[in-house]
Amino acid sequence: EVQLVESGGGSVQPGRSLRVSCAASGFTFDDYAMHWVRQAPGKGLEWVSGISWNSDTIGYADSVKGRFTISRNNAKNSLYLQMNSLRAEDTALYYCAKAPGLYGDFDVWGQGTMVTVSS
Amino acid sequence: QSALTQPPSASGSPGQSVTISCTGTSSDIGGYNYVSWYQHHPGKAPKLMIYEVSKRPSGVPDRFSGSKSGNTASLTVSGLQAEDEADYYCSSYAGSNNLVFGGGTKLTVL
Repeated sequence: EVQLVESGGGSVQPGRSLRVSCAASGFTFDDYAMHWVRQAPGKGLEWVSGISWNSDTIGYADSVKGRFTISRNNAKNSLYLQMNSLRAEDTALYYCAKAPGLYGDFDVWGQGTMVTVSS
Repeated sequence: QSALTQPPSASGSPGQSVTISCTGTSSDIGGYNYVSWYQHHPGKAPKLMIYEVSKRPSGVPDRFSGSKSGNTASLTVSGLQAEDEADYYCSSYAGSNNLVFGGGTKLTVL
């Protein structure tokens, strides 16, 4: 079964850091691009970042550029999002999603991990 | 990276058809054939319904169809069923390794 399982969410103070992870199974991880998409409470979906299969190509939303870093470890079938200088507006459910490339078409999603930024 | 524009809500009676629009610019929808649509039931993971403007993943009913004209993409749901009630989001590639979502449309089956 193709599966993505996010972890690492939690409550953190503004300005602090947090790393969320996504464990993949049931497919050849290094054949696909991977993305992070978030949904703030009561809001819509927002693309956060994407990474190509070999980590050569990476993209970020303007809202997180310079603060968040996406990475992957193909040997561990894992995707990561390092989030620094967190702000209240980063509070959201963070989903990882699998895609054929960096152009989108997210065909498998995880259940999400909640990140709350609050003092 | 401005969000794509979707109507906040749409509705239809069972058996009817409803079309949801998604308007962008020549830098996203108008510039690439990488528009996708997602169905999102609260508390569940989003589900891909349409990709590359009009292609349907395996398992998605053919009641769902997608199209694009200029800077506007559309999702049409024919033969509405109660289980189609959900939030629907469009997404488009926006160049330079960026993607953008629409604000979402809440579809109500009356």
